[in-house]
Amino acid sequence: QITLKESGPTLVKPTQTLTLTCTFSGFSLSTSGVSVGWIRQPPGKALEWLALIFWDDDRRYSPSLKNRLTITKDTSKNQVVLSMTNMDPVDTATYYCAHTTDYFASGSYFDPWGQGTLVTVSS
Amino acid sequence: EIVMTQSPATLSVSPGERATLSCRASQSVRSNLAWYQQKPGQAPRLLIYGASTRATGVPARFSGSGSGTEFTLTISSLQSEDFAAYYCQQYNNWPPYTFGQGTKLEIK
Repeated sequence: QITLKESGPTLVKPTQTLTLTCTFSGFSLSTSGVSVGWIRQPPGKALEWLALIFWDDDRRYSPSLKNRLTITKDTSKNQVVLSMTNMDPVDTATYYCAHTTDYFASGSYFDPWGQGTLVTVSS
Repeated sequence: EIVMTQSPATLSVSPGERATLSCRASQSVRSNLAWYQQKPGQAPRLLIYGASTRATGVPARFSGSGSGTEFTLTISSLQSEDFAAYYCQQYNNWPPYTFGQGTKLEIK
């Protein structure tokens, strides 16, 4: 059974850097085809994909947020870390990590998702 | 970037009736489309991938159809637990992956 869980601060100040950790079980990020992505959802709004890291350390980012995002993995700890710089109140959202399988980086769906963590940006 | 447009934004249907939700892509995504269900306070759950393949454990009353730019999610006989928000996602042309703005299915 695959499970994922997000952790990190619930409150950050404007201009600070947000660091979130996704800890997972039931799969290995060293297995060919496996990847983990981050998606966020502002309160009452739609889902927005942020970043994804592949088993081979290939990384992809949302073009609109690329300059602010960094995604890394620690295979030995079964963790994926997302950093977002220069946080703003508009970045207030629930942040989810999710598992996907994509052998050729051609695109895939997310299944399953972590429970999400709400991050509020406020001074 | 491919824009995904869902309609309607809100759909009111009585239990036991059929619900039809639509998702349109701004350009062809072939059959690379997924549907998710999200209940309040919960994470999205995968329902359909490949436009028409039900994910593991998804009841048969959920069906997906379409290809190219027009897609439909049909729930044949609504149960109380089906009232939720539904999102489509294209994974044909990325980055970025893009989602629709969602359809809220509410009890009539």
